[in-house]
Amino acid sequence: EAGVTQFPSHSVIEKGQTVTLRCDPISGHDNLYWYRRVMGKEIKFLLHFVKESKQDESGMPNNRFLAERTGGTYSTLKVQPAELEDSGVYFCASSRGGGQDYGYTFGSGTRLTVV
Amino acid sequence: GQNIDQPTEMTATEGAIVQINCTYQTSGFNGLFWYQQHAGEAPTFLSYNVLDGLEEKGRFSSFLSRSKGYSYLLLKELQMKDSASYLCAVSPRTDSWGKLQFGAGTQVVVTP
Repeated sequence: EAGVTQFPSHSVIEKGQTVTLRCDPISGHDNLYWYRRVMGKEIKFLLHFVKESKQDESGMPNNRFLAERTGGTYSTLKVQPAELEDSGVYFCASSRGGGQDYGYTFGSGTRLTVV
Repeated sequence: GQNIDQPTEMTATEGAIVQINCTYQTSGFNGLFWYQQHAGEAPTFLSYNVLDGLEEKGRFSSFLSRSKGYSYLLLKELQMKDSASYLCAVSPRTDSWGKLQFGAGTQVVVTP
């Protein structure tokens, strides 16, 4: 099966601009997660979708971040307006059910640089 | 607070054994994962422990002690391709499986 796909792989934008990241989960995976790793820190949870509903968005940093998953398939994460501290690698992961049996499949990430 | 601690870097020789320790303090516990991540690639699942004891999978084994808040990942017969970052992650809640808490990762360097 195809893995989790993220686009773009890299993005460099200026402070104040808008960027939209996309994640295509594994087909049939109802659960979709966004994570972020900023320089030198650990990977941190942002939010969790079950189909098109937000199950948990407690990790979203602030209201400049908007995640959507219309139709319960792919998801987008929009940052508007971007700030310097938003730079990092944004990972998406998906799982069919509880991840204990499947270990959550991660995408390769989008490296976002805000200058 | 909630912490997951693991060493920053470890170096070992090809063919040797390396043990990566992970200690955790979280508000709840619903399992511990180990992931391998090569530079610029996706983290890939290695193991999952929810009960105390040792889980063995080929050259890789993972151990958990819930009472001590401690786990280790054991890599045997090291190969050059095992050079990567190894991430310890805890699932602290039963109602939100996806909310993994990660350690900062241990960079393992395998030398010839």
